[in-house]
Amino acid sequence: GENVEQHPSTLSVQEGDSAVIKCTYSDSASNYFPWYKQELGKRPQLIIDIRSNVGEKKDQRIAVTLNKTAKHFSLHITETQPEDSAVYFCAAPEDSNYQLIWGAGTKLIIKP
Amino acid sequence: DTAVSQTPKYLVTQMGNDKSIKCEQNLGHDTMYWYKQDSKKFLKIMFSYNNKELIINETVPNRFSPKSPDKAHLNLHINSLELGDSAVYFCASSQQGLAGEQYFGPGTRLTVT
Repeated sequence: GENVEQHPSTLSVQEGDSAVIKCTYSDSASNYFPWYKQELGKRPQLIIDIRSNVGEKKDQRIAVTLNKTAKHFSLHITETQPEDSAVYFCAAPEDSNYQLIWGAGTKLIIKP
Repeated sequence: DTAVSQTPKYLVTQMGNDKSIKCEQNLGHDTMYWYKQDSKKFLKIMFSYNNKELIINETVPNRFSPKSPDKAHLNLHINSLELGDSAVYFCASSQQGLAGEQYFGPGTRLTVT
């Protein structure tokens, strides 16, 4: 089955700097990779996703890159702001069990 | 016009009790899920329900059972509650199955004493 590993578990960056969170997956057949953001006490919400037919996708200050050969994908946040502070989760599908396998989460702290 | 709603938001109960959490989505989605998020924030899928097909995560105790009266509702019943069941439970739904956005409910914080 699919296995997803996410690093780092905690990331502290200065406001205005960039943040990068990385995930690796094990199933080469996986073709969809979402990133969710969960603010303290709130529900997870999708912020960006990428499908296996593209290598990069951008949405304003957020981007996701995918390396199918190495089986890893990364979330990039530029010009970080206080409202970016949250826990970020990556995920990959396990079709055989019809479920998303989630990374362990990264707590992003933006220092003023 | 809440997309995915859950009730109750908080649930405090004693060990051994039976409780239910309700979930409703008004998005017309075909697939619904239940997740458990523990104190370390790990998100663990418990059930997927798609077109009347239930897929159960094999690690979920059989004290947990989902019930879907119709496509818009997926309720979670828990029998004989244990201390380790304390967590936040999220319901979610999606239109495209695994390859699409999952919309989460606000969560139900369950505390077993």
